[in-house]
Amino acid sequence: AQKVTQAQTEISVVEKEDVTLDCVYETRDTTYYLFWYKQPPSGELVFLIRRNSFDEQNEISGRYSWNFQKSTSSFNFTITASQVVDSAVYFCALSGPAGNNRKLIWGLGTSLAVNP
Amino acid sequence: DTGVSQNPRHKITKRGQNVTFRCDPISEHNRLYWYRQTLGQGPEFLTYFQNEAQLEKSRLLSDRFSAERPKGSFSTLEIQRTEQGDSAMYLCASSPQTSTDTQYFGPGTRLTVL
Repeated sequence: AQKVTQAQTEISVVEKEDVTLDCVYETRDTTYYLFWYKQPPSGELVFLIRRNSFDEQNEISGRYSWNFQKSTSSFNFTITASQVVDSAVYFCALSGPAGNNRKLIWGLGTSLAVNP
Repeated sequence: DTGVSQNPRHKITKRGQNVTFRCDPISEHNRLYWYRQTLGQGPEFLTYFQNEAQLEKSRLLSDRFSAERPKGSFSTLEIQRTEQGDSAMYLCASSPQTSTDTQYFGPGTRLTVL
């Protein structure tokens, strides 16, 4: 069975601090895809990144970076120099191989509060 | 290029009434998904369409729930005889049928059953 665990329910930081959101996944598929989405208070889920299981390169996009480690089944998300606008709930999600129903299996989310 | 749209954004109804939600996917996206999200939880998969074919339904989708995508474009989700437990955010997502089939979400429809 597929499962995504985000152990951190809530995180509170002060602006400009770095913060890492953890994501651990379980799957029996050899090919799978991992995602991070942001859900601001407005409620709409915003896609941040997609990573396939064969690509373990870390990725950086501005203040955002992602660390994918198959050995520990983790796909962690770091925000550098956090800003108040980063306050949101962040979800990690997992989907199966291409060709199948690509429904997303979601973690419970981590609520990030960035305080001025 | 517009994103995924959902209507209505909010719906308040009395227990026992029927409600219908609409989702318009990104044009040329042939995959469409419905999810449900309750407070403090991640979204849960409800059903999936590829073009007009409904290919999978979750066990969460009881007999009171039905979804259609008649022409492979917009989709509707109907809940009959609503119950208070149906109160949730109903999310629609669409994706292209390519190797990079990332799902893009609409703003959701928040249902409150009194």
